[in-house]
Amino acid sequence: NAGVTQTPKFQVLKTGQSMTLQCAQDMNHEYMSWYRQDPGMGLRLIHYSVGAGITDQGEVPNGYNVSRSTTEDFPLRLLSAAPSQTSVYFCASNLQGSTEAFFGQGTRLTVV
Amino acid sequence: GQQVMQIPQYQHVQEGEDFTTYCNSSTTLSNIQWYKQRPGGHPVFLIQLVKSGEVKKQKRLTFQFGEAKKNSSLHITATQTTDVGTYFCAGKGGATNKLIFGTGTLLAVQP
Repeated sequence: NAGVTQTPKFQVLKTGQSMTLQCAQDMNHEYMSWYRQDPGMGLRLIHYSVGAGITDQGEVPNGYNVSRSTTEDFPLRLLSAAPSQTSVYFCASNLQGSTEAFFGQGTRLTVV
Repeated sequence: GQQVMQIPQYQHVQEGEDFTTYCNSSTTLSNIQWYKQRPGGHPVFLIQLVKSGEVKKQKRLTFQFGEAKKNSSLHITATQTTDVGTYFCAGKGGATNKLIFGTGTLLAVQP
């Protein structure tokens, strides 16, 4: 049972490049979410999904897209990377919205 | 939108001293969760509180949920070096499905 798996662990992008951060969970959780963590600002919600085919915006959605075609996968797309998107990104899943969240190991992204 | 603030942002204690972090939400929460993140790691769930005024204990950790369900606290008795990390509260308000995290409190423990 792998839990929540994020890839890659580290990534360096040039400004304007696009990329997809992958997130997969094998716990059959309905609820998945993406957070970014920046010093002094805690974990901020980017996008979340309450089930396959359903996504919604969080606190800081601009510059990011998501889709949820299967229960297991919830990729996060950066359309045109900007230095302000340099951060540590965490994917999380919950059985339901009010139960404990399980986090992936994180992706450290640097945009130069 | 819903905001969750924590104080202090940083706390440095001597091993054996007590530690408390406070969590305040701008809106009423349906529940409050607490997480711990070790340096370089990912957040790990500690506990969830649901009822108004609820108090729960885990060994040296005591968690409280305020009567108005808008604030919470985590108290650690006699800190140890293994307590080092950032402690986050997280809450879901009302009808929303968003789990909003607090700003976190970084705890440093000097042996």
